[in-house]
Amino acid sequence: GENVEQHPSTLSVQEGDSAVIKCTYSDSASNYFPWYKQELGKGPQLIIDIRSNVGEKKDQRIAVTLNKTAKHFSLHITETQPEDSAVYFCAANRGTSGTYKYIFGTGTRLKVLA
Amino acid sequence: GAVVSQHPSRVICKSGTSVKIECRSLDFQATTMFWYRQFPKQSLMLMATSNEGSKATYEQGVEKDKFLINHASLTLSTLTVTSAHPEDSSFYICSARTRPGQAFFGQGTRLTVV
Repeated sequence: GENVEQHPSTLSVQEGDSAVIKCTYSDSASNYFPWYKQELGKGPQLIIDIRSNVGEKKDQRIAVTLNKTAKHFSLHITETQPEDSAVYFCAANRGTSGTYKYIFGTGTRLKVLA
Repeated sequence: GAVVSQHPSRVICKSGTSVKIECRSLDFQATTMFWYRQFPKQSLMLMATSNEGSKATYEQGVEKDKFLINHASLTLSTLTVTSAHPEDSSFYICSARTRPGQAFFGQGTRLTVV
């Protein structure tokens, strides 16, 4: 069935360094790939997303890249800050309408050390 | 981004009683709403998908009669946990999909059944 693998499960970086989280999806019909940040006790927050007709998207310190051929997409956070510490989830989705499910990765716990 | 409001944020109920959780999209009409359950340090587990005016589609293994979902309008969906038991204690989160296909999450509801 549809599956999204996410690595690493935990990641510790020094403040100011970059962090990279990678995901691989199995459903070739997926065409929308969001990233969510979840802080303890809260719901996930959409931080960036990318559609299959784009290879890269950037928003300030956050960027996402997509390799459709390899079915890989990655989240890049530069100049990390302590407030970036959270759990990050990638997801894959098949359509922009309808009831297609979002398939989530297993999450990456990011710790930014001051 | 769009705002999804979920209430209550925390609820404690006695075993055998029912609890209703509301999910509202405040500034957009949601084509689809999703209900998830999240166990500690785990990813999001999809429970059901609902569209306004139609019956919810439940994931395999989720009891329809126990987790009642009503999608009364394009901005409101409710999840009722009926005859709650301690094993139903969990973090429940809703999300609502916008027409362009982005999904925004509510704040989550921490349910404790005593």
